[in-house]
Amino acid sequence: LAKTTQPISMDSYEGQEVNITCSHNNIATNDYITWYQQFPSQGPRFIIQGYKTKVTNEVASLFIPADRKSSTLSLPRVSLSDTAVYYCLVGSRGAAGNKLTFGGGTRVLVKP
Amino acid sequence: NAGVTQTPKFQVLKTGQSMTLQCAQDMNHNSMYWYRQDPGMGLRLIYYSASEGTTDKGEVPNGYNVSRLNKREFSLRLESAAPSQTSVYFCASIGTGRDTIYFGEGSWLTVV
Repeated sequence: LAKTTQPISMDSYEGQEVNITCSHNNIATNDYITWYQQFPSQGPRFIIQGYKTKVTNEVASLFIPADRKSSTLSLPRVSLSDTAVYYCLVGSRGAAGNKLTFGGGTRVLVKP
Repeated sequence: NAGVTQTPKFQVLKTGQSMTLQCAQDMNHNSMYWYRQDPGMGLRLIYYSASEGTTDKGEVPNGYNVSRLNKREFSLRLESAAPSQTSVYFCASIGTGRDTIYFGEGSWLTVV
């Protein structure tokens, strides 16, 4: 898997948009970018995945520039319940069997 | 629709005792993983099994052994528990061709 770099932590306020950028300079041609969310005392869960340009679902948007060396997870109008750790993973589709390692993630604290 | 099931959820051990954490998935996934997460830290890979009959070391394998009993089950054994192994343990699985990692709810282990 490509090495990723994320900010350690971010603070925000309810109703604001939170953008978390992940750097992955060594991303390979067939790599996808996947984001996971982890609440305290729970296992991580899938949020969104993309390959290029923009992907949007009911939870978040993922922006990937043309060179794909970074990606930005955007959480619109966050609430207190969005306080969590967010992990960026980069790997090939069909990553099963790979040594899947997570970085430290980004701790997002949403304040009232 | 159980997904990934871990047992036990909580366990207290004395230093030097042994125990096995059990993990089972009902999604017919080929690959399974064991992670540990210390307080305030990210996930660290202990061992993984790319497919039934194979196991490989992750980032922090010392002090642990694993068994891929069959396609569904992947157990983690602590032969002689140490206080440094106090942590939350997560089991995860991913299927061939799929991109989403599914996590169990975690097992809280305290070694005194």
